[in-house]
Amino acid sequence: QVQLQESGPGLVKPSQTLSLTCTVSGGSISSGDYYWSWIRQPPGKGLEWIGYIYYSGSTYYNPSLKSRVTISVDTSKNQFSLKLSSVTAADTAVYYCARAPRGQWWFDPWGQGTLVTVSS
Amino acid sequence: QSALTQPASVSGSPGQSITISCTGTSSDVGGYNYVSWYQQHPGKAPKLMIYEVSNRPSGVSNRFSGSKSGNTASLTISGLQAEDEADYYCSSYTSSSTLWVFGGGTKLTVL
Repeated sequence: QVQLQESGPGLVKPSQTLSLTCTVSGGSISSGDYYWSWIRQPPGKGLEWIGYIYYSGSTYYNPSLKSRVTISVDTSKNQFSLKLSSVTAADTAVYYCARAPRGQWWFDPWGQGTLVTVSS
Repeated sequence: QSALTQPASVSGSPGQSITISCTGTSSDVGGYNYVSWYQQHPGKAPKLMIYEVSNRPSGVSNRFSGSKSGNTASLTISGLQAEDEADYYCSSYTSSSTLWVFGGGTKLTVL
């Protein structure tokens, strides 16, 4: 079964760029059947979808974050990545990667999540 | 403020049934059958429980069921068990540029 695992720094300074990677195991990111998403959850709050990437490199971002977000894919490593620039304390959250079937609108599975704290 | 509205908390005793509501608009919940529900235990990743309003993924107990009426979707859990105590989130496709929206989450307490 497919598993997703996030990795990256747990602490980022304000105004810097947050960078995370999601490694996919048990299946190929190049299968073409799925969109690969990032979702975040601030402490004690609800979920917010950040954006997705298709294996071809096409992307779609949440308009509220679009100006600061870049999602990329490395099919040779079976990974996709998130960069969020000019971070502030409001970007402190648990960041999840997740898979959505192409043409469908649910996420399964999810990675375990990684907490990123924005602080000097 | 989340795009979809859920009650902050619900509770029930073991063996009882509870229902969690998720209210949106005709641009999301009411306009499409793309509502999904996720269960999240503390410190864990969300788990898909229901997709496309009422479909259960393989391995999810049939005690979990979903429905929709107008702009409101509902998750019903029957025969409550202690292990059902968790946070539950609804999500929907939206015709707005956001594509995906979530509810604020509902904390289920099993008394």
